[in-house]
Amino acid sequence: AQTVTQSQPEMSVQEAETVTLSCTYDTSESDYYLFWYKQPPSRQMILVIRQEAYKQQNATENRFSVNFQKAAKSFSLKISDSQLGDAAMYFCAYGADGNKLVFGAGTILRVKS
Amino acid sequence: DSGVTQTPKHLITATGQRVTLRCSPRSGDLSVYWYQQSLDQGLQFLIQYYNGEERAKGNILERFSAQQFPDLHSELNLSSLELGDSALYFCASSVQSDGWGTGELFFGEGSRLTVL
Repeated sequence: AQTVTQSQPEMSVQEAETVTLSCTYDTSESDYYLFWYKQPPSRQMILVIRQEAYKQQNATENRFSVNFQKAAKSFSLKISDSQLGDAAMYFCAYGADGNKLVFGAGTILRVKS
Repeated sequence: DSGVTQTPKHLITATGQRVTLRCSPRSGDLSVYWYQQSLDQGLQFLIQYYNGEERAKGNILERFSAQQFPDLHSELNLSSLELGDSALYFCASSVQSDGWGTGELFFGEGSRLTVL
């Protein structure tokens, strides 16, 4: 079964600085998708960024980028120029064959002003 | 606003009772997923429906059941409730089950269940 591991229960970053959240996963599939979701205090799950495993190029969405290492099964999220609104729980998720997403345990990100 | 609607937002009930959580997916989405988020277990996949039929099952207890109706809304029924069932229950939807499209799940705001 696929598993997703987020080894950092909590991270802190100073406003305007850069922070990297780690995620590793385990799968025997060759074709799959990886996601980072953000859950602010409002509880809403919001998609931050998506990476297709067949693409070598790392995905980027404005201040958010990923470092996808397929051989190492690693998928980290980098947040540049951190803002107070980035404070949230961040979940890494794995998906394949059109079905359920498997989520990691989450990382709480605190942003200090 | 994701377009996924969940009701009720909050629910408080007693042990042994039964509750029903309702989800309306985004317009045009055929797949509905239910997830349970508790403090000690993160987001756990419960069950998926696609166009009215069950497509995948996760760690869903036998006391729990779900269905998707012809209008594509879904209901999650939780019975013989226990204290440990207290959690946030999310519904999510996506366009299709076969193939990924954008690969994105759209989540509702969740239903917070408290069992006393």
